[in-house]
Amino acid sequence: GAVVSQHPSRVICKSGTSVKIECRSLDFQATTMFWYRQFPKKSLMLMATSNEGSKATYEQGVEKDKFLINHASLTLSTLTVTSAHPEDSSFYICSARTGTGKSYTFGSGTRLTVV
Amino acid sequence: DAKTTQPPSMDCAEGRAANLPCNHSTISGNEYVYWYRQIHSQGPQYIIHGLKNNETNEMASLIITEDRKSSTLILPHATLRDTAVYYCIVREQLYSGAGSYQLTFGKGTKLSVIP
Repeated sequence: GAVVSQHPSRVICKSGTSVKIECRSLDFQATTMFWYRQFPKKSLMLMATSNEGSKATYEQGVEKDKFLINHASLTLSTLTVTSAHPEDSSFYICSARTGTGKSYTFGSGTRLTVV
Repeated sequence: DAKTTQPPSMDCAEGRAANLPCNHSTISGNEYVYWYRQIHSQGPQYIIHGLKNNETNEMASLIITEDRKSSTLILPHATLRDTAVYYCIVREQLYSGAGSYQLTFGKGTKLSVIP
């Protein structure tokens, strides 16, 4: 079945540094990928829709200059958290639409801790 | 905003059927119902989806009412590993040439399978 690989699974960084999270579709091509954020005991919140070869579409309230998304190929989307602060600490999850577009596969998530 | 309403939590005895309800009274004719589950600190896992007819796969059954305003996910023989948060999501059908469609998560139902 369709597999989405997300890396790293967890990362700790210092305030002010940038962190890149990768999301890869392993056995299918994904023209569209999605990035979510999840706080403890809360539901997933959609941050942005990543489209291969074009600019990402950000949800209201999400700072595009802080959360840089690049979708340079049909199998890879990256999310870079720039100038990270402790409030950016969260669980970040990517997803890709598969096949005919009626199914979505999720990565295993990245636990980001900013100290 | 999520278009679905689910009970916040449910318990189920191990080996019994778990029936998880979902209300989606504002669903339109071309919107699919999706079910995902999330085990703690992991990405959501696809379970099943449907439009009008009842669906069954190796994981679960999905029963959609005739008016499509509600549905029930059935796990026929719940095990301890089925303990998770279950999300019922309404997503618009993808047509060829249309833009991207995303999954908007509500709060879900926390299912606890009890030994």
